[in-house]
Amino acid sequence: DGGITQSPKYLFRKEGQNVTLSCEQNLNHDAMYWYRQDPGQGLRLIYYSQIVNDFQKGDIAEGYSVSREKKESFPLTVTSAQKNPTAFYLCASRLAGTLTDTQYFGPGTRLTVL
Amino acid sequence: AQSVTQPDIHITVSEGASLELRCNYSYGATPYLFWYVQSPGQGLQLLLKYFSGDTLVQGIKGFEAEFKRSQSSFNLRKPSVHWSDAAEYFCAVGAGNTDKLIFGTGTRLQVFP
Repeated sequence: DGGITQSPKYLFRKEGQNVTLSCEQNLNHDAMYWYRQDPGQGLRLIYYSQIVNDFQKGDIAEGYSVSREKKESFPLTVTSAQKNPTAFYLCASRLAGTLTDTQYFGPGTRLTVL
Repeated sequence: AQSVTQPDIHITVSEGASLELRCNYSYGATPYLFWYVQSPGQGLQLLLKYFSGDTLVQGIKGFEAEFKRSQSSFNLRKPSVHWSDAAEYFCAVGAGNTDKLIFGTGTRLQVFP
């Protein structure tokens, strides 16, 4: 059963703690993406990776970090430097074989800072 | 820089009525355009996409969208809405490729029986 999985579905964090969100895909997609979603603001790109061991900052990378050690995995760490981390986080992936390959999304992780 | 505007934050329709959700984009060349749907607490599901060719594209769940270059629009339509269509709808644009998408702020659709 192919797809994108994100875990956990809900995550609670105390202020000052780092937390890591998991994103795994078994679609053999090359590119992976992390978005942040806030009410009324749509989706904003945090980081993206087109190949293993390489990634680029998106529009709102401050306070976040990523790694891409395996093709199927792209974890996102929300650090204590992120001033307002409470949000819904979406991971996506894309085959990237052509210019027009579609991005497909995982089910999301809702992070709440207590 | 490219941008996407969804002018309607919230739309309410009766079940069985027709629907049109508006999307305007800003991009100098031919854009890659997408409509995604999101149910509460879920990820985004692709409804349809436009890259080139026929400007009227058909998608899943009975949705269609029309690309109008002269109006920089890519409005989503459905002739008869079902209660299960209640969700949030996002328009997105890719500038020359689909690697970096710019999303609109979304339109929340409410359907009354």
